[in-house]
Amino acid sequence: EPEVTQTPSHQVTQMGQEVILRCVPISNHLYFYWYRQILGQKVEFLVSFYNNEISEKSEIFDDQFSVERPDGSNFTLKIRSTKLEDSAMYFCASTPRIRNTEAFFGQGTRLTVV
Amino acid sequence: GENVGLHLPTLSVQEGDNSIINCAYSNSASDYFIWYKQESGKGPQFIIDIRSNMDKRQGQRVTVLLNKTVKHLSLQIAATQPGDSAVYFCAENLTGNQFYFGTGTSLTVIP
Repeated sequence: EPEVTQTPSHQVTQMGQEVILRCVPISNHLYFYWYRQILGQKVEFLVSFYNNEISEKSEIFDDQFSVERPDGSNFTLKIRSTKLEDSAMYFCASTPRIRNTEAFFGQGTRLTVV
Repeated sequence: GENVGLHLPTLSVQEGDNSIINCAYSNSASDYFIWYKQESGKGPQFIIDIRSNMDKRQGQRVTVLLNKTVKHLSLQIAATQPGDSAVYFCAENLTGNQFYFGTGTSLTVIP
């Protein structure tokens, strides 16, 4: 069964450093997402991406965040200068169409900022 | 963001019993809902979905009920098994392509 894959599974970084989280969405999907889950809290939407541009973003997704699809398979989330409060699970998801469809989630990357 | 909240943060059931997990949503314009299961250290896993033009949908051992009058969703799991132990989230699709997730209910199945 096709799946969304994320790397690394765990990333530890020092405050102020840049991190790049990587995702390989399901190959025939067209819409890509990043969500965040702070420990013990709900899953929060960060950004959606379609046709090589951001289609929606939340208040969380400020200028420190950026997304990119550098090639035909990868989808990345970059945090330019990490803060302690960026520590969370980051989930990538993809969907075959824009609405009324299941979002397939990856296993997540646990980001720990120290 | 939209308010998608769960009534109970934890639920314990005996193996073999039925489980009911509830969810309230605040926006009557939401037209698509998904229940996700999340096991420890894993990403959300799709269980079942329902569109707003339906009030009930059944899957394998699971049923989702939608009451648009009171903006309430429930997930019923029949004959709950130890493998059902997880956190369950309802997610609401209002506009565009983002989902709003509830806080989650932790289901523990007692053997």
